[in-house]
Amino acid sequence: SSELTQDPAVSVALGQTVSITCQGDSLRSYYASWYQQRPGQAPVLVIYGKNNRPSGIPDRFSGSTSGNTASLTITGAQAEDEADYYCNSRDNSADHGVLFGGGTKVTVL
Amino acid sequence: QLQLQESGPGLVKPSETLSLTCTVSGGSMHSGLYYWGWIRQPPGKGLEWIGNIYYSGGTYYKPSLKSRVTMSVDTSKNQFSLELTSVTDADTAVYYCARLGGDFVFWYFDLWGRGTLVTVS
Repeated sequence: SSELTQDPAVSVALGQTVSITCQGDSLRSYYASWYQQRPGQAPVLVIYGKNNRPSGIPDRFSGSTSGNTASLTITGAQAEDEADYYCNSRDNSADHGVLFGGGTKVTVL
Repeated sequence: QLQLQESGPGLVKPSETLSLTCTVSGGSMHSGLYYWGWIRQPPGKGLEWIGNIYYSGGTYYKPSLKSRVTMSVDTSKNQFSLELTSVTDADTAVYYCARLGGDFVFWYFDLWGRGTLVTVS
């Protein structure tokens, strides 16, 4: 079955740039979406489609895709960006299926 | 502003059925632009998609859960529901309902409920 793979954790210095990756065969067919989840809160959509941000999401968040890898980049990371980040996409092996990556913990130093 | 709210028992006994309802307020479920989904998150772990339902009743479930999951919709009440049978402690999780949008090449959950913790014990 299909899956999406993320690195478990990454750290970034305050004000610096960090990229989180998500790998999977489904990403050759479908764009990833990205979610931020702070402790004790529901996930919040931060990037969807080719590189779209919902209203209210700062422009320091951006997305890109190359081959089977999608990336979420935070340019100029802020303390409030410390959170778990999840990717998701359509599943290319199941009718109307949805996949989530395992999540990446971002620590802002 | 559209909002989603999960409701249901917080404690379910092993082998019994977990039942949750998501109430959509501030708008209608009738839009053909969206599906409505359930996602869960075991304590300390990642997100797991359970299934989606369309306002007309069409359903799509995660293959590994398909034998135990039933989703339904009541558009007159602006609600959709989840039933998960034969639960075990592995089904202990925070359960979220969410709205699924997008087009053919991308899907995204753009609105989420706050989540409700269901413990199997």
